[in-house]
Amino acid sequence: NAGVTQTPKFQVLKTGQSMTLQCAQDMNHEYMSWYRQDPGMGLRLIHYSVGAGITDQGEVPNGYNVSRSTTEDFPLRLLSAAPSQTSVYFCASSYWGQGDTEAFFGQGTRLTVV
Amino acid sequence: GQQVMQIPQYQHVQEGEDFTTYCNSSTTLSNIQWYKQRPGGHPVFLIQLVKSGEVKKQKRLTFQFGEAKKNSSLHITATQTTDVGTYFCAVGSLGNEKLTFGTGTRLTIIP
Repeated sequence: NAGVTQTPKFQVLKTGQSMTLQCAQDMNHEYMSWYRQDPGMGLRLIHYSVGAGITDQGEVPNGYNVSRSTTEDFPLRLLSAAPSQTSVYFCASSYWGQGDTEAFFGQGTRLTVV
Repeated sequence: GQQVMQIPQYQHVQEGEDFTTYCNSSTTLSNIQWYKQRPGGHPVFLIQLVKSGEVKKQKRLTFQFGEAKKNSSLHITATQTTDVGTYFCAVGSLGNEKLTFGTGTRLTIIP
């Protein structure tokens, strides 16, 4: 199993451009989430999904859209990139179950907006 | 939502010394999880604690959840260079689709 796969690993955008960060998981997990990580601030939740067709906003959703048409994929769309969106983006998948449950993270996408 | 404060922000230790990071909340937590992120890497799950006063050990790592479920700690005995990274505590929703992270403690080891 590949786990959680994010593409691209690095991206430079100009202000105002749009793009989609891809995330795919092959563990059949119900739940998927997007986080951004900024220096000194830990990871903050952008959007999450509890199943195909169901998404909701996290702590910092402005400027981002998501959709979940399949269990495997959860793309994050930047509508009009701004320098404040320069960050490292992590996708995660998880599940509900007995005992320890954990979130599995992708390798991250390092985005720079100039 | 549940918020957690984590201290210290940075810790530099000599190899072989012990290391501790603390996570505190003003409210009772349903659970606490710990993740490790190596430099340039992604967060990797270490442990989850759910019971009041719970203590779990993984080799040189000891995790504790406070009696009031408002604080937690991660203690590493005799640090090694492989322990370098940032350690995060996090509070998870039932399915972990929503994690609230602390700000992390970056551990560096002086050989």
